[in-house]
Amino acid sequence: NAGVTQTPKFQVLKTGQSMTLQCAQDMNHEYMSWYRQDPGMGLRLIHYSVGAGITDQGEVPNGYNVSRSTTEDFPLRLLSAAPSQTSVYFCASRDEGTLNTGELFFGEGSRLTVL
Amino acid sequence: DAKTTQPTSMDCAEGRAANLPCNHSTISGNEYVYWYRQIHSQGPQYIIHGLKNNETNEMASLIITEDRKSSTLILPHATLRDTAVYYCIVKLYRSGNTPLVFGKGTRLSVIA
Repeated sequence: NAGVTQTPKFQVLKTGQSMTLQCAQDMNHEYMSWYRQDPGMGLRLIHYSVGAGITDQGEVPNGYNVSRSTTEDFPLRLLSAAPSQTSVYFCASRDEGTLNTGELFFGEGSRLTVL
Repeated sequence: DAKTTQPTSMDCAEGRAANLPCNHSTISGNEYVYWYRQIHSQGPQYIIHGLKNNETNEMASLIITEDRKSSTLILPHATLRDTAVYYCIVKLYRSGNTPLVFGKGTRLSVIA
């Protein structure tokens, strides 16, 4: 079972460059989300989606764009990377069906460094 | 969603029970208590959740006080692999528009 797959696992960018962090899940989950985690900090929600075509902002959305064209994929775009975006990024998904536990399934993370 | 308060860190001897407390005094009647943990550098892992009754699964037990203002996660026989940051989160059950909000959690160190 693949679960939640994030790519790339590691990335180094220069200030001003753009890139997309990919997230895919094969569990047919309606809900997907992106978190960032800075050293010594808890996870902070960036953006989330409750289904294809629907996205919303979390705690720290500035500097990031998302889209949800399919149920499976939820890419996170950095249009102009800044050193403050150096972090570990986690994608997570959840089944919104009536029998589920509400459990969030997380990917392994993408470690981004912006120089 | 209600806020939670957890100790910053705790130690536990290997083989002993680890009891991790969480205060959620502003919890509302339809909010659940969720526990996740994050082992170093990995994505968080779901442990257990509950509303008002005590819950047990293969990983842990969750004890919720009668007034629901606090709870305790119990790892009955802690091992070195249980060393992790444990997050207590309160939220509405399965409410897609109310995402999980993680605090700083409790860093549990299991000592040999």
